[in-house]
Amino acid sequence: NAGVMQNPRHLVRRRGQEARLRCSPMKGHSHVYWYRQLPEEGLKFMVYLQKENIIDESGMPKERFSAEFPKEGPSILRIQQVVRGDSAAYFCASSANRGETQYFGPGTRLLVL
Amino acid sequence: ILNVEQSPQSLHVQEGDSTNFTCSFPSSNFYALHWYRWETAKSPEALFVMTLNGDEKKKGRISATLNTKEGYSYLYIKGSQPEDSATYLCASRLGDYKLSFGAGTTVTVRA
Repeated sequence: NAGVMQNPRHLVRRRGQEARLRCSPMKGHSHVYWYRQLPEEGLKFMVYLQKENIIDESGMPKERFSAEFPKEGPSILRIQQVVRGDSAAYFCASSANRGETQYFGPGTRLLVL
Repeated sequence: ILNVEQSPQSLHVQEGDSTNFTCSFPSSNFYALHWYRWETAKSPEALFVMTLNGDEKKKGRISATLNTKEGYSYLYIKGSQPEDSATYLCASRLGDYKLSFGAGTTVTVRA
């Protein structure tokens, strides 16, 4: 049973470009969570999605960031018009049900030049 | 305690020695305490989920205790081995799903 998959593992973007980060949850998991780790900081909650629905996006910046988890396909975290401050590691986790153990992917490391 | 704090930030231990480190978290509105083991370039691996005061969990040579009244958890590694080298993350669960992480304790086991 494959774990949580994230791609790409590394992403380089220039200021003003768009970044798309993908997350495929573990098989049978319909709950997805995105976390961000800024340099020298711990993982910070961004958004919680359950198939086709955003449940809680309280940790996501109000502008330029969006997330989706369509009926078919991976969850996508989209950052428009990236700035240097968006450089971070973005982690996705999934769980079978709300409140259960979250299993993490290996992360996508975004570097904005 | 307003945030989840872990100490020390890093530690070095000789192979065969035992070690432990701390996670402090807000004791009010406590739901659960999670421990993860994170090796560089890999996914954080779930170790334990603890909910009850006095809980004690064990997985091989690694064990953890929980004190919800005073807001701390200890993680112990007995007879450290080089493969135990990793960053150990703790996270307090705020409600049903939101995890609030500490910055981690990086353990380096010297052969």
